[in-house]
Amino acid sequence: GDSVTQMEGPVTLSEEAFLTINCTYTATGYPSLFWYVQYPGEGLQLLLKATKADDKGSNKGFEATYRKETTSFHLEKGSVQVSDSAVYFCALSSNTGKLIFGQGTTLQVKP
Amino acid sequence: GAGVSQSPSNKVTEKGKDVELRCDPISGHTALYWYRQSLGQGLEFLIYFQGNSAPDKSGLPSDRFSAERTGGSVSTLTIQRTQQEDSAVYLCASSLASLDGQPQHFGDGTRLSIL
Repeated sequence: GDSVTQMEGPVTLSEEAFLTINCTYTATGYPSLFWYVQYPGEGLQLLLKATKADDKGSNKGFEATYRKETTSFHLEKGSVQVSDSAVYFCALSSNTGKLIFGQGTTLQVKP
Repeated sequence: GAGVSQSPSNKVTEKGKDVELRCDPISGHTALYWYRQSLGQGLEFLIYFQGNSAPDKSGLPSDRFSAERTGGSVSTLTIQRTQQEDSAVYLCASSLASLDGQPQHFGDGTRLSIL
């Protein structure tokens, strides 16, 4: 069945460091891909999405490119801030829209 | 406008009791999803509703779990004869349609603790 694999955390970075969180997927067909973020004490929020190969999703300085050839959707940010500390989830959606999530990666940014 | 609303935000109950969790989706959203977030299993899909179509129950872990959606809006997730392994955060999400690519909007969840 469809699945999503994320790099294990926690990831600890200093402020202004470059961030990469790896995400790969297995799916039949061409699903849409998402990154969701969960800030401490808050609910899941959509961060960005891409619906077809080579699409780049971007929001709040974060980017991810849908790579069909490597079945990947890695999350990147050029300069992280303390306020980016959160749990990040990569997900794919089936043709019915239900989401299949990766296990989540905790990011901690230190000043 | 209001987001997805879930109640209660926290629920503590004894093993063997039944519980009901409620979800109010965003107005106009026809698709509604339930997920469960637990330490050992991550985020798991439970069930989804789309309009008047039969729900997709493929993610429900046992027949103790059921859900209904009345009038195409509010949904209730019921767990009968709760067990300790049911302890988790139960998340509800809604979207404009159950189509690939439609973003889902999540509620803050119900944290369920089974003693």
